Amino acid sequence: IAGITQAPTSQILAAGRRMTLRCTQDMRHNAMYWYRQDLGLGLRLIHYSNTAGTTGKGEVPDGYSVSRANTDDFPLTLASAVPSQTSVYFCASSVSGGAADTQYFGPGTRLTVL
Amino acid sequence: AQSVTQLGSHVSVSEGALVLLRCNYSSSVPPYLFWYVQYPNQGLQLLLKYTTGATLVKGINGFEAEFKKSETSFHLTKPSAHMSDAAEYFCAVTPQGAQKLVFGQGTRLTINP
Repeated sequence: IAGITQAPTSQILAAGRRMTLRCTQDMRHNAMYWYRQDLGLGLRLIHYSNTAGTTGKGEVPDGYSVSRANTDDFPLTLASAVPSQTSVYFCASSVSGGAADTQYFGPGTRLTVL
Repeated sequence: AQSVTQLGSHVSVSEGALVLLRCNYSSSVPPYLFWYVQYPNQGLQLLLKYTTGATLVKGINGFEAEFKKSETSFHLTKPSAHMSDAAEYFCAVTPQGAQKLVFGQGTRLTINP
């Protein structure tokens, strides 16, 4: 059972470069999420998608974009990376996006922007 | 706005001792409450959650938490710590009717032999 896979595992990126973080789930969950984890701040929601074809903004969406072309994939794009986007990024999914849903997390992508 | 406060960014206990990790939320309406655990270099996994019903919730690995509405708290406990419990623990809430999960800042639990 793979659950959620993320790629790459880690990346060092020059400022100004474009980067796409990949996320794939095999649980047929309707809802997917992107979080960033920073020391002392916990996890903060960047974008989410309740179902294929729809997306929404979370707490910290600026500088990031997402798409949801199908149920399984939810890529996160940094159009022009800046050092403040250095973080660990987690993708998650849940069955329906309901408030009581358990979210299942991927292993994370560690991104460093220089 | 819904916020979550975890008291203590770092908690250290001896093996076999009681584990108590504190979580308070701010809301006039009780939300859904979660505890997630993150082992080193891994993603988060659910320990337990409270949605409705019994206020004492039992989770995996011997952990439990009690929802106390009057204290707006959802503290996590385990009677006897094990070395394998060393991890980062996150309290999170979802306001009823909303979707967004709001996380606390996390508490790193260290177990001393």
